Amino acid sequence: LAKTTQPISMDSYEGQEVNITCSHNNIATNDYITWYQQFPSQGPRFIIQGYKTKVTNEVASLFIPADRKSSTLSLPRVSLSDTAVYYCLVGVNYGQNFVFGPGTRLSVLP
Amino acid sequence: DAEITQSPRHKITETGRQVTLACHQTWNHNNMFWYRQDLGHGLRLIHYSYGVQDTNKGEVSDGYSVSRSNTEDLPLTLESAASSQTSVYFCASSDYRDTNEKLFFGSGTQLSVL
Repeated sequence: LAKTTQPISMDSYEGQEVNITCSHNNIATNDYITWYQQFPSQGPRFIIQGYKTKVTNEVASLFIPADRKSSTLSLPRVSLSDTAVYYCLVGVNYGQNFVFGPGTRLSVLP
Repeated sequence: DAEITQSPRHKITETGRQVTLACHQTWNHNNMFWYRQDLGHGLRLIHYSYGVQDTNKGEVSDGYSVSRSNTEDLPLTLESAASSQTSVYFCASSDYRDTNEKLFFGSGTQLSVL
């Protein structure tokens, strides 16, 4: 399983763009990169997934360089409600292989 | 709308008692999982199931058991609760037919073992 490294915490202000980078140097050819978001007292929620280049949805963008050894989750114009823990997962698409590390705790300040 | 529900939301029990946490999903997903979440550890996999009558041990399965008698439910049983099992427990499900498998989580059960 590819090990991931991401910052433990980040602070931002409302209206700013936030970029959270995840390192996964030993990513395998078949691995996808998936990000989950967890609010206090709730279970994690899928937000975006990609294999290479760029993926965008209504919530976020995911940038993956050609070597795929890292990825960056981009949240445009964050609000207070984006305060959450964000998890980067790398692996093949079988549930038991999803490994959730400590994640990145994002605090959005007014 | 399809959903995944856990009950109870909060549970207080005593050391040595048997406790069962319920998980029910209406997604018709074959795959179901139980995780526990503790400060500094992220989520750790306890047990998982890929279908009726199928159960498998995860990373931290000691002291826990599951059974899968139908598609919708995967109850988690603590045979003899210990203080080290005080944690937040999350159930999740996924669709094996989904090429890019996504996990859908319940809202969690806060368990305190005194």
